[in-house]
Amino acid sequence: AQTVTQSQPEMSVQEAETVTLSCTYDTSESNYYLFWYKQPPSRQMILVIRQEAYKQQNATENRFSVNFQKAAKSFSLKISDSQLGDTAMYFCAFSYTGANSKLTFGKGITLSVRP
Amino acid sequence: DAGITQSPRHKVTETGTPVTLRCHQTENHRYMYWYRQDPGHGLRLIHYSYGVKDTDKGEVSDGYSVSRSKTEDFLLTLESATSSQTSVYFCAISGVSGSMSYNEQFFGPGTRLTVL
Repeated sequence: AQTVTQSQPEMSVQEAETVTLSCTYDTSESNYYLFWYKQPPSRQMILVIRQEAYKQQNATENRFSVNFQKAAKSFSLKISDSQLGDTAMYFCAFSYTGANSKLTFGKGITLSVRP
Repeated sequence: DAGITQSPRHKVTETGTPVTLRCHQTENHRYMYWYRQDPGHGLRLIHYSYGVKDTDKGEVSDGYSVSRSKTEDFLLTLESATSSQTSVYFCAISGVSGSMSYNEQFFGPGTRLTVL
């Protein structure tokens, strides 16, 4: 079975600076998907970015980018030019390919952006 | 945004009482999921559905049952609520629609359930 590990429970960053959130996972499959979800205080789960394992190029969405290291089973999220609205809990998640995309989540990390 | 609603949004109940949470979608997606969120555990899958009347267990299914009689509705039932089931419950959907693919899930707003 796959596992997802987020070992940092909390992080803090100054507004406008860059922060990296770490995630490692374990699976015996060669093709899968990895995700970062954001959960602000409103509790809504918001998809931030998605990476397909068969793609070597790291995914990017505006200020958010990932560093996907398949051999190391590492999937970190970099947030550039941090904004106060980035304050949230961030979850790393894994799913197999195929139609049934049930997710396995890490425990999450609380990110605080300081003004 | 994907059309997913959950009801109720908040509920307080007593140990031993039955509770049913409802998830409703307007996207006509095939797959629906129930997760629970607890501090220190992230989100964990309770049950999921891959079609009308087709359901299967997830990681933490004990004490929960589900039903899906229509594509748009997925019900989660706690037959006899316990304090350990105090949690935030999220429904999610996945399917193919526009820019959405099977491997992306969109979540409802969550239901906070307190069992006293």
